[in-house]
Amino acid sequence: QVQLQESGPGLVKPSETLSLTCAVSDYSISSDYSWAWIRQPPGKGLEWIATIFHTGNTYYNSSLKNRVTISLDTSKNQFSLNVNSVIAADTAVYFCARQVRGVTGSLFYFDNWGQGTLVTVSS
Amino acid sequence: DVVMTQSPDSLSVSLGERATINCKSSQSVLYSGNNMNYLAWYQQKPGQSPKLLIYWASTRESGVPDRFSGSGSGTNFTLTISTLQAEDVAVYYCQQYFHSPQTFGQGTKVEIK
Repeated sequence: QVQLQESGPGLVKPSETLSLTCAVSDYSISSDYSWAWIRQPPGKGLEWIATIFHTGNTYYNSSLKNRVTISLDTSKNQFSLNVNSVIAADTAVYFCARQVRGVTGSLFYFDNWGQGTLVTVSS
Repeated sequence: DVVMTQSPDSLSVSLGERATINCKSSQSVLYSGNNMNYLAWYQQKPGQSPKLLIYWASTRESGVPDRFSGSGSGTNFTLTISTLQAEDVAVYYCQQYFHSPQTFGQGTKVEIK
């Protein structure tokens, strides 16, 4: 069973960059599937942020207005998320997840999730 | 973006009784090319990450108890828990993955009456 574990700072100052990493165990991220970040503001619902294919192709939610970058590090079997110019509204639990994809590259559902990490944006 | 609206926001059900959660999408998530509905359901217990229950609207994920079932097509979907157990207390989310960006419903909280 694949396992995912998020890591990163719990507190980030406004206007700075939030950087998170998801370490994947028991599955090689370069083999198949796609790899995603989803966030959940305190007491609220889920918002998809970005997905990267095992090939390196990337997909982003335009709602974050180009502040986001997702990347793969196959040598460490992990993937990362950067969110630039953070504001208070970026405060959330950030989850990494494995996303099932179609043969033509369509993004489907999330079949494995990390435990999540709370990131607070505050000075 | 496609808006996913769940109803009710919360419900209280007695142990052993049926729980029904509805999910309505603002646009159809049925692909005519393969007659598949691009909809999933997740369960999130307090303090935990979401867990996949159902995908393709009605396909149960491996290991998910058969008291969980999904139905519906097009824009209207239902998650049913046939006999509620204590461990089913959670928030349930629907997700559409047909339109970009993929979007989630606001969640339905299920409690024991």
